[in-house]
Amino acid sequence: DAGITQSPRHKVTETGTPVTLRCHQTENHRYMYWYRQDPGHGLRLIHYSYGVKDTDKGEVSDGYSVSRSKTEDFLLTLESATSSQTSVYFCAISVSELAEYNEQFFGPGTRLTVL
Amino acid sequence: GQSLEQPSEVTAVEGAIVQINCTYQTSGFYGLSWYQQHDGGAPTFLSYNALDGLEETGRFSSFLSRSDSYGYLLLQELQMKDSASYFCAVRSQAGTALIFGKGTTLSVSS
Repeated sequence: DAGITQSPRHKVTETGTPVTLRCHQTENHRYMYWYRQDPGHGLRLIHYSYGVKDTDKGEVSDGYSVSRSKTEDFLLTLESATSSQTSVYFCAISVSELAEYNEQFFGPGTRLTVL
Repeated sequence: GQSLEQPSEVTAVEGAIVQINCTYQTSGFYGLSWYQQHDGGAPTFLSYNALDGLEETGRFSSFLSRSDSYGYLLLQELQMKDSASYFCAVRSQAGTALIFGKGTTLSVSS
């Protein structure tokens, strides 16, 4: 357990509304990631962060923005949710000493449904 | 770009041995890792190979051949609790994020 929590754990929202998902870690790790998981697609990277205010886009970043104002919190925002963003969202952290960043620890996930 | 291929499903019986293969295409190589995910749960790290050869961790082993861009996860003495999805992953060329395969669903029956 790397002390990663996600909130909310479940959310149902309507198309066009803004949604923010929160990832919180307790161990001050530098690298944090947001993935989405959909049937048949595995896990796909949305955005990642390599420090406070340092973020970059992943494979499926369109329609998403992120912010990291504190080491412990990494926020994922859907500015205007669409049904295609219905998914399970996982936050993760990695530690350089562990398998050269290949060992990542995942939060419990947030199941988001956009109606 | 980077991509990984693995079988979508594998079935086996308790006590058997199963091998899940993974082939990858990547511009730079920083290791091949494996993750397990039970239904409704989060992915958990199983193993990592940076160099060619076999890494053993209990009932699970992972193999890598960099020249063939190929690896596999070997699960021995299968138990019902091993029924899960298994993902291979490589590090992203751009940084420390991972690129995952689409996953292999393992079903273990009695």
